[in-house]
Amino acid sequence: NAGVTQTPKFRVLKTGQSMTLLCAQDMNHEYMYWYRQDPGMGLRLIHYSVGEGTTAKGEVPDGYNVSRLKKQNFLLGLESAAPSQTSVYFCASTTPGPFGTDTQYFGPGTRLTVL
Amino acid sequence: RKEVEQDPGPFNVPEGATVAFNCTYSNSASQSFFWYRQDCRKEPKLLMSVYSSGNEDGRFTAQLNRASQYISLLIRDSKLSDSATYLCVAGRSYNTDKLIFGTGTRLQVFP
Repeated sequence: NAGVTQTPKFRVLKTGQSMTLLCAQDMNHEYMYWYRQDPGMGLRLIHYSVGEGTTAKGEVPDGYNVSRLKKQNFLLGLESAAPSQTSVYFCASTTPGPFGTDTQYFGPGTRLTVL
Repeated sequence: RKEVEQDPGPFNVPEGATVAFNCTYSNSASQSFFWYRQDCRKEPKLLMSVYSSGNEDGRFTAQLNRASQYISLLIRDSKLSDSATYLCVAGRSYNTDKLIFGTGTRLQVFP
């Protein structure tokens, strides 16, 4: 049982390049999330999904796209990377409890630098 | 104003000390509350959920005050291994599908 995994762990991009971050979970969770974490800003929600085939915008969605074609996978795409997207990206998953979202399980993170 | 606010610290305490962290949340509709722990360059992990009646897990005690919209975490008998950043977390509203994370409070326990 691997939990939540993220690929890649590190990446350096040049401005304007594109890339896709992959998140996979083996806990059969319904909900999946993409966050970015920057110093002094805390975790900010980029996009999320409450089920296969569904996605929704979070707090900071601009410059990113997502897809949830399979329940276990959630992809985050950067179409044209900018230096402002330099950050640590975390994926998380959960299944809702009695008050909605419950404990979120996080992947190990992807450290992205855009030059 | 941030939806979840915490003192960023750092709190520097000796081993064996008792330390308390506080957090306030702005959305009175929030129903679920948590404390997460994040080690340096690692992912956040759930430390404990916070219940209305207060709850304890070993050396850790969490309290919720809905009237003041205030959450606390008390750590007794601090260990070196408690050094980490502690994130206060609130569900955005009743039956929400999103959590709001505070920016974290850093704790450093020294020998």
